[in-house]
Amino acid sequence: DQQVKQNSPSLSVQEGRISILNCDYTNSMFDYFLWYKKYPAEGPTFLISISSIKDKNEDGRFTVFLNKSAKHLSLHIVPSQPGDSAVYFCAASASVGNAGNMLTFGGGTRLMVKP
Amino acid sequence: DADVTQTPRNRITKTGKRIMLECSQTKGHDRMYWYRQDPGLGLRLIYYSFDVKDINKGEISDGYSVSRQAQAKFSLSLESAIPNQTALYFCATSDLVEQYFGPGTRLTVT
Repeated sequence: DQQVKQNSPSLSVQEGRISILNCDYTNSMFDYFLWYKKYPAEGPTFLISISSIKDKNEDGRFTVFLNKSAKHLSLHIVPSQPGDSAVYFCAASASVGNAGNMLTFGGGTRLMVKP
Repeated sequence: DADVTQTPRNRITKTGKRIMLECSQTKGHDRMYWYRQDPGLGLRLIYYSFDVKDINKGEISDGYSVSRQAQAKFSLSLESAIPNQTALYFCATSDLVEQYFGPGTRLTVT
């Protein structure tokens, strides 16, 4: 059973608009969350993260929101640019009872930003 | 130069063949990982290693083996490849939580 789920396999957004990518998790022990971005023929690259002690983290056009009660996080990209077109993976980690802070990944969401 | 390199980048092999995927990193991290990516399933952990003498099975280790030859090198072997091992394979390294990935190896087993 997947502990981290990205229920939207794809998302299409117009350039300049907001992109919202969603992620749900089931393991209440997760206390650190990351978003990775993946272009074709490349490995995933780290984008932004958030600790469970926060509910928001912002880095330029990228903001991650965490709702612990709902076990839900989202990545907002504003404004969206064609270069943001990629697959985005949500990942989660538990610092307690988890050897080495291993990451559990969601299935990914393919974002397409149309010019 | 890339921090994490993988060879080969693409490989087509036949059922029953032995194949090795290699990974090298220059980040100086102790921790290294092997994942496979399948459509809709994200990245699933095959094996991980926290140092040269430490090897651990991940979520989907059956049919795979690994060798940690040095801090910087971690190789993945398929002893007898089967078609459902056709996938994109990624090596990663980390210091703490954030992991750094190689460019991937696309493996096709016919």
